[in-house]
Amino acid sequence: GAVVSQHPSWVICKSGTSVKIECRSLDFQATTMFWYRQFPKQSLMLMATSNEGSKATYEQGVEKDKFLINHASLTLSTLTVTSAHPEDSSFYICSARALLRGTRYEQYFGPGTRLTVT
Amino acid sequence: GENVEQHPSTLSVQEGDSAVIKCTYSDSASNYFPWYKQELGKGPQLIIDIRSNVGEKKDQRIAVTLNKTAKHFSLHITETQPEDSAVYFCAARLQGAQKLVFGQGTRLTINP
Repeated sequence: GAVVSQHPSWVICKSGTSVKIECRSLDFQATTMFWYRQFPKQSLMLMATSNEGSKATYEQGVEKDKFLINHASLTLSTLTVTSAHPEDSSFYICSARALLRGTRYEQYFGPGTRLTVT
Repeated sequence: GENVEQHPSTLSVQEGDSAVIKCTYSDSASNYFPWYKQELGKGPQLIIDIRSNVGEKKDQRIAVTLNKTAKHFSLHITETQPEDSAVYFCAARLQGAQKLVFGQGTRLTINP
């Protein structure tokens, strides 16, 4: 399968500061990456879809000015949580779309980043 | 848009027994159905997927079946082992779309 990494795996920050999370596809090129948020014991909530070289498409209800997404290359996407508040504390997971078998797209997830805002 | 319902929300089985998790989807235009396993504190891991042109797919102890007419698909795990304990998510994707729509998840516990 394809490998997706995230950094950092966990981060604690103070309220009002910004935090950047990196997502990398290690052994494939990802034209499309996704960012999810997951609360305890809940399903994955899609925040945005980013295509390399273009602006991210945000899901309804997700503040684009608060959750800045940049997909600068085919192997790197970043999520920046700006002016973080305690309610932003969550598990953030990125995912990359991989074309591994001809025209068959599959989606692989990173290990997630636990964000705690104090 | 697409909606995916997953049942049961929790499932407990004895080690060695089989486990079945079921999902239904609403949009007949969906053509890709992956299953993910998520262990505590980790990201989801793709364990098996099926496309609408087949009715069943098997990989060792794991199998997925798809009934397009009824718009439901199921994950079957045979000879369950303690390491199968995790949360399992089904998902569906509309033909031509990029994003997956996830079910609510099933917490599977294998009792030794």
